[in-house]
Amino acid sequence: DTAVSQTPKYLVTQMGNDKSIKCEQNLGHDTMYWYKQDSKKFLKIMFSYNNKELIINETVPNRFSPKSPDKAHLNLHINSLELGDSAVYFCASSQDQASVGGELFFGEGSRLTVL
Amino acid sequence: QKEVEQNSGPLSVPEGAIASLNCTYSDRVSQSFFWYRQYSGKSPELIMSIYSNGDKEDGRFTAQLNKASQYVSLLIRDSQPSDSATYLCAVNDGTDKLIFGTGTRLQVFP
Repeated sequence: DTAVSQTPKYLVTQMGNDKSIKCEQNLGHDTMYWYKQDSKKFLKIMFSYNNKELIINETVPNRFSPKSPDKAHLNLHINSLELGDSAVYFCASSQDQASVGGELFFGEGSRLTVL
Repeated sequence: QKEVEQNSGPLSVPEGAIASLNCTYSDRVSQSFFWYRQYSGKSPELIMSIYSNGDKEDGRFTAQLNKASQYVSLLIRDSQPSDSATYLCAVNDGTDKLIFGTGTRLQVFP
């Protein structure tokens, strides 16, 4: 059983479209994250939820909207896609929040290509 | 701006040698330090964590932390071609965020 699973793994879409990425973890963790990894491999946090509550919201355009229906799921919806949104988006989870040294478990990533 | 700096590489070492990967961080309040390994096209996976000054060994891997110098390193002994990957240094910034460096690409050649 995959611990952190994301769908879809690949997205190719046109500028201006709206798309969603879904994430689920079966590890029983309380904290989930969205990270963006650009073409230079820089991994940058976007959002973090702890037990469905938003705790980290980095300087991300408001076209990006996370949603956590329960602590095992964290989805990411992106409106009006732009070329610069092309990246790999990783979902991750941890038992503890990063402030107490929680190890992150990553999903396989969703590669978004905006044409 | 809190930063985690790594040399992007590639760092090329022969099989059997020691690979030394380095990382510096800007935030003095950082308390937790991690090394993640990322194979090409795959997701990062944790290989080492270190919280106090000194060395921590786990198999062929040794993490070294010097908080006074704001420096953390990873040594890989008896490097294997299967160790070829990008190694990401990550630092907790004292809040709930883990800040990643841009990674060092390691190439181990037979």
